[in-house]
Amino acid sequence: RKEVEQDPGPFNVPEGATVAFNCTYSNSASQSFFWYRQDCRKEPKLLMSVYSSGNEDGRFTAQLNRASQYISLLIRDSKLSDSATYLCVVNGRNTPLVFGKGTRLSVIA
Amino acid sequence: SQTIHQWPATLVQPVGSPLSLECTVEGTSNPNLYWYRQAAGRGLQLLFYSVGIGQISSEVPQNLSASRPQDRQFILSSKKLLLSDSGFYLCAWSVGLEAGEQFFGPGTRLTVL
Repeated sequence: RKEVEQDPGPFNVPEGATVAFNCTYSNSASQSFFWYRQDCRKEPKLLMSVYSSGNEDGRFTAQLNRASQYISLLIRDSKLSDSATYLCVVNGRNTPLVFGKGTRLSVIA
Repeated sequence: SQTIHQWPATLVQPVGSPLSLECTVEGTSNPNLYWYRQAAGRGLQLLFYSVGIGQISSEVPQNLSASRPQDRQFILSSKKLLLSDSGFYLCAWSVGLEAGEQFFGPGTRLTVL
């Protein structure tokens, strides 16, 4: 089983749609969880951290289910500028971050 | 503020030639440093990381090597490039190994012909 698994997509959605990405991780000792965004041919950048209680940042909501080892990202009211690859990222104790392969999103006008 | 530099931005090299990619960080001390490779259509693969000068951890055995001659300098090298070394090479830094945010450089796009 891969350490971090994501549906590669692509997800093609119209502007204004709500889209959800899922991610599972294998290491039950993982302590921290994040979503990164990577634009085409650019470097990844942190989008948001994922907390046990769930957290929201504007149109973006992240959820964590430790029992199921599952992380989600919900994007509401999709914009054209949301088109990118979304990377699920986890780490454990004294280990570097582990990146998923990413889910590609295309928001269409 | 902290900045991370990588160069060159693009590189085309013949098979069997050597490689040297440099990464420098400004505005922070004793960062953790990382080299990643992203092949076309694939995820980020961690190649090396370093927690201090002269300390290199290798994640994947291959014909690449890394060195950290100074606190904020990280170098990726190869003596003989393979076709499979083509990809997008990203350097990153963080405050600690478990730190949530890694800051990535702009990357070097390497094509081996």
